[in-house]
Amino acid sequence: SQQGEEDPQALSIQEGENATMNCSYKTSINNLQWYRQNSGRGLVHLILIRSNEREKHSGRLRVTLDTSKKSSSLLITASRAADTASYFCATDITGTASKLTFGTGTRLQVTL
Amino acid sequence: GAVVSQHPSRVICKSGTSVKIECRSLDFQATTMFWYRQFPKQSLMLMATSNEGSKATYEQGVEKDKFLINHASLTLSTLTVTSAHPEDSSFYICSGPRPSTDTQYFGPGTRLTVL
Repeated sequence: SQQGEEDPQALSIQEGENATMNCSYKTSINNLQWYRQNSGRGLVHLILIRSNEREKHSGRLRVTLDTSKKSSSLLITASRAADTASYFCATDITGTASKLTFGTGTRLQVTL
Repeated sequence: GAVVSQHPSRVICKSGTSVKIECRSLDFQATTMFWYRQFPKQSLMLMATSNEGSKATYEQGVEKDKFLINHASLTLSTLTVTSAHPEDSSFYICSGPRPSTDTQYFGPGTRLTVL
């Protein structure tokens, strides 16, 4: 089965609200990464958090990692319509930018 | 910045034909590239790791004789879907390790439809 399970599967919010997505995984990791995918397009890397880090920020993005619970969350603050996309977490076991195992994804819809 | 391109972006073919998909790293060299398959509204599943100058490494359950991978140069990997069938219809995405990071650059994907 896939490494990561994401929750919720779909999220619909209004512009200006915050969006929180959660990811759980099963084995030890070197790092966890979040990617964004617009419909029918490739993936864009958003943020990487290493196993020895607990929280990381990048612009309107905030990622947390709890290795004891094997879970991570992605918070997008002050969402915009342009944030509408699918968001995937991906775990890297070896830390060599090699095999990434992707979660099931959260489809985020931001309405005006 | 460095990017990965794929060609074609869309392809429609008849059942039984073969389709080749190219993945290029545009301004960085990649000794390793990765091929993923994504079904509608699902996540990406790694199919194989393409290794420059040697054989690809396939994930469990992926038929190596059906999905032929060639990594002939440091900037080009190709995936050939042989004797395609409708169940092979999917979105195929390649990626390459982003230099000096632990992340990957992803190509824009190829939508394959087998009639």
